[in-house]
Amino acid sequence: DAKTTQPPSMDCAEGRAANLPCNHSTISGNEYVYWYRQIHSQGPQYIIHGLKNNETNEMASLIITEDRKSSTLILPHATLRDTAVYYCIVRSLYNFNKFYFGSGTKLNVKP
Amino acid sequence: DAGITQSPRHKVTETGTPVTLRCHQTENHRYMYWYRQDPGHGLRLIHYSYGVKDTDKGEVSDGYSVSRSKTEDFLLTLESATSSQTSVYFCAISGISGTQGNTEAFFGQGTRLTVV
Repeated sequence: DAKTTQPPSMDCAEGRAANLPCNHSTISGNEYVYWYRQIHSQGPQYIIHGLKNNETNEMASLIITEDRKSSTLILPHATLRDTAVYYCIVRSLYNFNKFYFGSGTKLNVKP
Repeated sequence: DAGITQSPRHKVTETGTPVTLRCHQTENHRYMYWYRQDPGHGLRLIHYSYGVKDTDKGEVSDGYSVSRSKTEDFLLTLESATSSQTSVYFCAISGISGTQGNTEAFFGQGTRLTVV
């Protein structure tokens, strides 16, 4: 799978949008971009995934650049409960064993 | 939440003793995974299963074995626990979508293992 690069930490004010970047310059055509988050020491929680079109669900939006070499996860109105480590993962749906996590971005939402 | 239960949630054991962690699912998903998480690292894949009695190694499989005798249970065994295996262990499951291949993974709440 393609490797991903994320900043180690980011701050965001409560109520503002949190924009978390991810670089995946070696992504291949059949690989999806997934986002997970991990709050404290809980199990990672699935947020969203996409291939090349922008995606939105009740939790977040995913913006993927046209060349697919980078993406941004957007939490539109961050709350204190969104403080977590966010992981960007690139994964082929047809290689189920290839589901590797990097170090992620620690998002600190501040009052 | 996906129906995943890990047991035990916490365990302290002595070096050299065998330890088995259990992951139980009620989703009938085909794929199951064991990860470990240590400070300064993300989650690292230990072993995974793609069906009953079908398993394979991940990136940090040394010192671990797994078994899957039925769809709902995936066992992780430390034959002779060492202090380097002190970690938080997460189980995950994923299924198959007819149009999208393998689906997203859902994680259990973790097992905190301490080897003294």
